[in-house]
Amino acid sequence: GAVVSQHPSWVICKSGTSVKIECRSLDFQATTMFWYRQFPKQSLMLMATSNEGSKATYEQGVEKDKFLINHASLTLSTLTVTSAHPEDSSFYICSAFRGSSYEQYFGPGTRLTVT
Amino acid sequence: RKEVEQDPGPFNVPEGATVAFNCTYSNSASQSFFWYRQDCRKEPKLLMSVYSSGNEDGRFTAQLNRASQYISLLIRDSKLSDSATYLCVVNEEYGNKLVFGAGTILRVKS
Repeated sequence: GAVVSQHPSWVICKSGTSVKIECRSLDFQATTMFWYRQFPKQSLMLMATSNEGSKATYEQGVEKDKFLINHASLTLSTLTVTSAHPEDSSFYICSAFRGSSYEQYFGPGTRLTVT
Repeated sequence: RKEVEQDPGPFNVPEGATVAFNCTYSNSASQSFFWYRQDCRKEPKLLMSVYSSGNEDGRFTAQLNRASQYISLLIRDSKLSDSATYLCVVNEEYGNKLVFGAGTILRVKS
């Protein structure tokens, strides 16, 4: 089956530093990937849609200059949290569609803790 | 009003019980509907898609009522391994944007 991987699976960083999270589709090409964030006991919230070869589309309220998204190839999208603060601590999950299916395949998530 | 609303639970049921979850959505133009399962500190995994005609997969049955904008999930003969958070998910009319409910917690106990 389709597999989406994320790296790292967890990261602890100091306030003010930047963290890059990678999302890869391992056995299919993904022209579109999605980045979600989930705070404890809350639902997944879509942050942005990552489009291969073009700019990402950000959801309302998500700062594009703080959450930099790059989708340089059909199998890789990266999310960089710049100048991270403790309130950015969360579970970040990426996903991708495979072909024309409506099913989204999710990566295992990255747990970010900013101290 | 939230776009997708679910009873957060938790639903505490004994093994073998039948349990039903409900979900309502606000966008009448929504096209696709799903139930995902999320275990603690893990990513969501697709449980089943939901069709207007209803669909069944083993012990799981999903129903969609477009007129009432209501989705349900029925789990029969609950197993301990069914304990998880069940997410109601709706695909918006345009694009591939999924909107997630906050989830319903199920705890199956022996």
